[in-house]
Amino acid sequence: AQSVTQLDSQVPVFEEAPVELRCNYSSSVSVYLFWYVQYPNQGLQLLLKYLSGSTLVESINGFEAEFNKSQTSFHLRKPSVHISDTAEYFCAVSESGNEKLTFGTGTRLTIIP
Amino acid sequence: DAGVIQSPRHEVTEMGQEVTLRCKPISGHDYLFWYRQTMMRGLELLIYFNNNVPIDDSGMPEDRFSAKMPNASFSTLKIQPSEPRDSAVYFCASSSNVAYEQYFGPGTRLTVT
Repeated sequence: AQSVTQLDSQVPVFEEAPVELRCNYSSSVSVYLFWYVQYPNQGLQLLLKYLSGSTLVESINGFEAEFNKSQTSFHLRKPSVHISDTAEYFCAVSESGNEKLTFGTGTRLTIIP
Repeated sequence: DAGVIQSPRHEVTEMGQEVTLRCKPISGHDYLFWYRQTMMRGLELLIYFNNNVPIDDSGMPEDRFSAKMPNASFSTLKIQPSEPRDSAVYFCASSSNVAYEQYFGPGTRLTVT
């Protein structure tokens, strides 16, 4: 069965500093990987996804994530964060062809002015 | 597109009362998912439908919970009788069979006193 581990429950970062949110998964088959963001009092929104092809995927607001099969990781990075990036970030995995997503427990990103 | 629509946004009810949460998925989407989010348990998948048919209800906590999807544009999640431990934010999400990402609604915040 697939599973997702987000080791950091909270990450405080100074504004304009870089950040990395870690995500590791476990699965015996090929996977699709996702990062979702949840702003306060809102639903989850898709940030970026990896289905196949290039292992480096980017979002429109400067985040990127790299699929590393050997390390079973899909860490999320941004070179310079803004106050508006304050949110909770969820990593999710589905086994290829399976419509179910398994979510991690989330990482709360707090930006310090 | 209006996105996934949920109603009500907030619901406060007394223990023992029946609660009905409603969801309208994105037009054309084949899958509909119901999730529950709490601080203690994170994001839990309760049940999901494909083409209006329930596929997996293994996440439904107990018989007090039931879900229906009478047509492609409407689903309900009912709790009868409600208990304080049911207090949570309930999300509905939908997806299509050609794109794997799920689109979430804004959620219903349920408080059972």
